[in-house]
Amino acid sequence: AQKITQTQPGMFVQEKEAVTLDCTYDTSDPSYGLFWYKQPSSGEMIFLIYQGSYDQQNATEGRYSLNFQKARKSANLVISASQLGDSAMYFCAMRGVFSGGYNKLIFGAGTRLAVHP
Amino acid sequence: EAQVTQNPRYLITVTGKKLTVTCSQNMNHEYMSWYRQDPGLGLRQIYYSMNVEVTDKGDVPEGYKVSRKEKRNFPLILESPSPNQTSLYFCASSLLGQGLNTEAFFGQGTRLTVV
Repeated sequence: AQKITQTQPGMFVQEKEAVTLDCTYDTSDPSYGLFWYKQPSSGEMIFLIYQGSYDQQNATEGRYSLNFQKARKSANLVISASQLGDSAMYFCAMRGVFSGGYNKLIFGAGTRLAVHP
Repeated sequence: EAQVTQNPRYLITVTGKKLTVTCSQNMNHEYMSWYRQDPGLGLRQIYYSMNVEVTDKGDVPEGYKVSRKEKRNFPLILESPSPNQTSLYFCASSLLGQGLNTEAFFGQGTRLTVV
């Protein structure tokens, strides 16, 4: 069965420092995609970054980068130069060729990040 | 503006009183789905639809119904809500058959409390 595991229920970081949010996944599909979403206190889901299983390079989007280690089945999110506005819940998610019409996203439990001034 | 609109945003109801949460998208997406978010469990798929009149169960469908009579709308129906359906609900839509990196658009969420 496909599964996403986020082992850090909560994290905190000092403003301007970097932080890594952990995500491991389990799937037997050879082809899959990994996503990170941010959920601020207002509740909406904000897409941050995507990594395909066949992508050779780690994905980057501004201050966000994805540390993709395929052999270890991990897809950690790295946020550089943290800002107070980064305080939110972060979800790792996966999409593959399984049930749900190919568009289904499977989510981890989430990590709540607090950025301290 | 491309968007998924859910209503209501907040709802408090009593056990057994039927309710409907509406979801509408303006992007002509074939695929629509409902998720519920619970602490420690993340988001779990309730139902999904691949097109008009085509719906199927997700991972946690018990106690819910859906319909897809029009492409843009995908309402979630709780015929007899119970307290264990207290949760944050999201509707999402995306194009079908566009690859693994297809962007999913989420509604703003509906916070439901069943007392």
